[in-house]
Amino acid sequence: DAMVIQNPRYQVTQFGKPVTLSCSQTLNHNVMYWYQQKSSQAPKLLFHYYDKDFNNEADTPDNFQSRRPNTSFCFLDIRSPGLGDAAMYLCATSRESGMRNIQYFGAGTRLSVL
Amino acid sequence: AQKITQTQPGMFVQEKEAVTLDCTYDTSDPSYGLFWYKQPSSGEMIFLIYQGSYDQQNATEGRYSLNFQKARKSANLVISASQLGDSAMYFCAMREGQGYSTLTFGKGTMLLVSP
Repeated sequence: DAMVIQNPRYQVTQFGKPVTLSCSQTLNHNVMYWYQQKSSQAPKLLFHYYDKDFNNEADTPDNFQSRRPNTSFCFLDIRSPGLGDAAMYLCATSRESGMRNIQYFGAGTRLSVL
Repeated sequence: AQKITQTQPGMFVQEKEAVTLDCTYDTSDPSYGLFWYKQPSSGEMIFLIYQGSYDQQNATEGRYSLNFQKARKSANLVISASQLGDSAMYFCAMREGQGYSTLTFGKGTMLLVSP
């Protein structure tokens, strides 16, 4: 059974129309991450939550916001999507400690912007 | 300087043969972890194998093994007995320090397995 679940798998939005992507986890992990991955590139970290503490990467555009209402759920809000925001968005989770500290990923949401 | 370098954009291998995917890393932190992930065309990132900087032995997970050469700062992934389902993008990643921290990914290597 999937432990990190992303909905929807495919999302189409219009230029400038706000969109929300969701991620849920059954692992009870403290840390949740959002990555953006464009075609043939490595995933790029946008931000992450350590419990309720929000950590934004320095080069993440202001257009991207996130919410984590509880341990299980995390949302990525794109306030005014541009054509350049079309990408795969990956959610991941990990425990706060431990040597291995593996990040487990969801199946991703592929976003298209028309 | 790049922290994770994967020099092979693409690799080809025949079914049942072994293949090595290269990864070199750069860090001054004595405590770090190295990860390999597989990403099929469906998009999901699948964790394959982990090597800690203090681990004495090379990590193995089924058909996957990690050739860890600490002095050379390399962590190559070896896939034995390749299968058609191994065709995917493979990413090497590093976590610096202990506990949770963010991952730095390499650019990836596309592996194609032919019959």
